[in-house]
Amino acid sequence: DIQMTQSPSSLSASVGDRVTITCQATQDISNSLNWYQQKPGKAPNLLIYDASNLETGVPSRFSGTGSATDFTFTISSLQPEDTATYYCQQYHHLPPSFGGGTKVEI
Amino acid sequence: EVQLVESGGGLVQPGGSLRLSCAASGFTFSSYSMTWVRQAPGKGLEWVSYMSSSSSGSSTIYYADSVKGRFTISRDDAKNSLYLQMNSLRAEDTAVYYCARAEGYCSGSRCYKYYFDYWGQGTLVTVSS
Repeated sequence: DIQMTQSPSSLSASVGDRVTITCQATQDISNSLNWYQQKPGKAPNLLIYDASNLETGVPSRFSGTGSATDFTFTISSLQPEDTATYYCQQYHHLPPSFGGGTKVEI
Repeated sequence: EVQLVESGGGLVQPGGSLRLSCAASGFTFSSYSMTWVRQAPGKGLEWVSYMSSSSSGSSTIYYADSVKGRFTISRDDAKNSLYLQMNSLRAEDTAVYYCARAEGYCSGSRCYKYYFDYWGQGTLVTVSS
């Protein structure tokens, strides 16, 4: 099975800061990677699919890059409503798997 | 508006059974693959099961190893509903269970453009004596 390692596990930043989260796969997964945001007590919400495609309706301050084993998720200017936990998810090989999550606090 | 509403969660003793339901609306349910994802209290997300759309005639099903042989996913396109029958429940199955609409599909050992664009609110399953 493919393991996904996210880092850091948590971070604290200020409003307006640029925030970067990384996700590393144990095997080449091409661009088969998605990013989700989960706020406390809520279901996850899709932000980025296929490594770099912004889901409809998602603010442009969110972006994703990467391929093969190394991926990056960026919030270009952190906003108060971005307080959440962020997860990467690979789907290149079954079973699909999630990273451990990154908790982002203001 | 796409909506997914889970039900059927609750408290069950180890070894017991539960059947979760997910009622879908706002889209052509039969055309989409569907997925169950769970989240243990205070933990991360875990993929549980996948069922393809039945538009091609037969459905493809996959399970996480942790639930294989104990859980059964099914769907009733006439009722726009997805189900998860959970048997031989264990304490480690305690989690919020989410159903999610899946773009893309899985076949063989791979998935293709497989992401979850709509999620239900989740239903809590607690396995405890």
